[in-house]
Amino acid sequence: KAGVTQTPRYLIKTRGQQVTLSCSPISGHRSVSWYQQTPGQGLQFLFEYFSETQRNKGNFPGRFSGRQFSNSRSEMNVSTLELGDSALYLCASSWTALDGYTFGSGTRLTVV
Amino acid sequence: AQSVTQPDIHITVSEGASLELRCNYSYGATPYLFWYVQSPGQGLQLLLKYFSGDTLVQGIKGFEAEFKRSQSSFNLRKPSVHWSDAAEYFCAVDQGGKLIFGQGTELSVKP
Repeated sequence: KAGVTQTPRYLIKTRGQQVTLSCSPISGHRSVSWYQQTPGQGLQFLFEYFSETQRNKGNFPGRFSGRQFSNSRSEMNVSTLELGDSALYLCASSWTALDGYTFGSGTRLTVV
Repeated sequence: AQSVTQPDIHITVSEGASLELRCNYSYGATPYLFWYVQSPGQGLQLLLKYFSGDTLVQGIKGFEAEFKRSQSSFNLRKPSVHWSDAAEYFCAVDQGGKLIFGQGTELSVKP
């Protein structure tokens, strides 16, 4: 069965622009979570969506937002990009927490 | 607040040698614990998970981990390391649908 698909794999954006990243979960998974990974801060939780509702939110500024569609696909948006937003953004999906979380390969965002 | 500590930032072992990666957690109740592995430029792959029951859990690729409540630890082990095991390893605890990760341990394997 297909895994978690994140698009695009790589992005280069200019400071001040906005960006939208996409995540397609494993078929049947209704929970989608987003994480930011940087060398300095490690892996940090952004938010989780379940059945189109944000269920959990991490400690990130309001420039970071997300949504989930009825088919469980999710997008995250970052507005007014800053250099510090350069990171690997990972999406994970799950059926239940007991099943664990399956991660995608990530989107590498570079802000210049 | 819940936290996860991986005391070793970088470990080097010889191919064929045994491996133990340490993980300590801070969590009030019985935790849901995970070990993930990440190869360069890739996402995270789940190695194993613990929720309850038998404290020794088996995972993929020959890995196992032991949950020790008295020591708040969940150490990852492998009896014989292969060169392909070189990667970064992350321990994590589930905090109500949100994974709290340790800082990671980078494993190098020498021939």
